[in-house]
Amino acid sequence: GENVEQHPSTLSVQEGDSAVIKCTYSDSASNYFPWYKQELGKRPQLIIDIRSNVGEKKDQRIAVTLNKTAKHFSLHITETQPEDSAVYFCAASSSGGGADGLTFGKGTHLIIQP
Amino acid sequence: DVKVTQSSRYLVKRTGEKVFLECVQDMDHENMFWYRQDPGLGLRLIYFSYDVKMKEKGDIPEGYSVSREKKERFSLILESASTNQTSMYLCATISLGGSNTGELFFGEGSRLTVL
Repeated sequence: GENVEQHPSTLSVQEGDSAVIKCTYSDSASNYFPWYKQELGKRPQLIIDIRSNVGEKKDQRIAVTLNKTAKHFSLHITETQPEDSAVYFCAASSSGGGADGLTFGKGTHLIIQP
Repeated sequence: DVKVTQSSRYLVKRTGEKVFLECVQDMDHENMFWYRQDPGLGLRLIYFSYDVKMKEKGDIPEGYSVSREKKERFSLILESASTNQTSMYLCATISLGGSNTGELFFGEGSRLTVL
């Protein structure tokens, strides 16, 4: 089955700086790569996703890049703000957009230092 | 807004007890999921269902079973709870149409402690 590795497990950045979280996956058939944000005590929520037919997607301060050849994808957050502090999970799916469930990475705890 | 409701936020059970975790969704989604979340391990798929009375094993089904008697309700069952099943359990549904295809909608979670 699919295996998703996520790094780093903890990332501390100064407010206003950029943060990058990286993930690799093992199943070359995977074609859907979402990112979820989980604030303390809350449920995970989708923040951005990318499908295998594109290399990059942006939504305001967040962007995701995908390299299918190398089987890795990354989350980029620019101009970080205190509300970006959370645990971020990458995930992958080969079942047409996650219909059979997602395989998640182990998470990155992003800490925004004031 | 999609609403996924888990009936119990916190449960404390004893080893060997049978445990039911209930999940109800109000968006008429076919697919429902049970994940387990542990610190440092992320979210791991236990079981999922794509239709009433249908179930499929996820990555860690051992020690669990599920029931889907109605489309809106998906239950996770621990036949004989063990201490290594102490965890946060998250139910989810998925949107498979429209602009948000692929988005998982999670419940608030059920934190189970097995003594």
